[in-house]
Amino acid sequence: RKEVEQDPGPFNVPEGATVAFNCTYSNSASQSFFWYRQDCRKEPKLLMSVYSSGNEDGRFTAQLNRASQYISLLIRDSKLSDSATYLCVVSSASKIIFGSGTRLSIRP
Amino acid sequence: NAGVTQTPKFQVLKTGQSMTLQCAQDMNHEYMSWYRQDPGMGLRLIHYSVGAGITDQGEVPNGYNVSRSTTEDFPLRLLSAAPSQTSVYFCASSSTFPGGQFFGPGTRLTVL
Repeated sequence: RKEVEQDPGPFNVPEGATVAFNCTYSNSASQSFFWYRQDCRKEPKLLMSVYSSGNEDGRFTAQLNRASQYISLLIRDSKLSDSATYLCVVSSASKIIFGSGTRLSIRP
Repeated sequence: NAGVTQTPKFQVLKTGQSMTLQCAQDMNHEYMSWYRQDPGMGLRLIHYSVGAGITDQGEVPNGYNVSRSTTEDFPLRLLSAAPSQTSVYFCASSSTFPGGQFFGPGTRLTVL
């Protein structure tokens, strides 16, 4: 079993829709969690950190569920510019593990 | 403020050749790392450094060397290139471990 797993997608949703992805992790000692977005043939860019209490940044909401060992990313009122691959990152004291990414495509 | 820069952007090598991928950051970050990204796989950590003079191996270090003589620079050396090292290489930096990282634009390497 992979240490960090994401549904590869693609998720194909209409503009304006709400879409959510999950990312599961196997190491219960994981301490820090992040979401990145990566556009085609570009570098990953930090989208947001994920805190135990959850956090929101505009249309984006990230949640952490330690009991079930997953993090989630919710995108509301999706825009064409949200089309990208979303990578989750889980780290412990000594390791940083990237998920393989979930591809999101927003259609007009 | 250039952030994280990488050179070259593209490189083609023959099996057995060696080369150095350059990485520099101007944010005074202590933590720097090198990743490779292959289709269908997440980014995999090759080597990392928590400060000048300190480096350590990541998940896939074989065939690569690093050094960190200054806070700004973190070059990655391929000792004897193999086709299995064909990949996209990203350098990243952050002020803390494991804080949110800033990535360079990547180097696309093909080994024939």
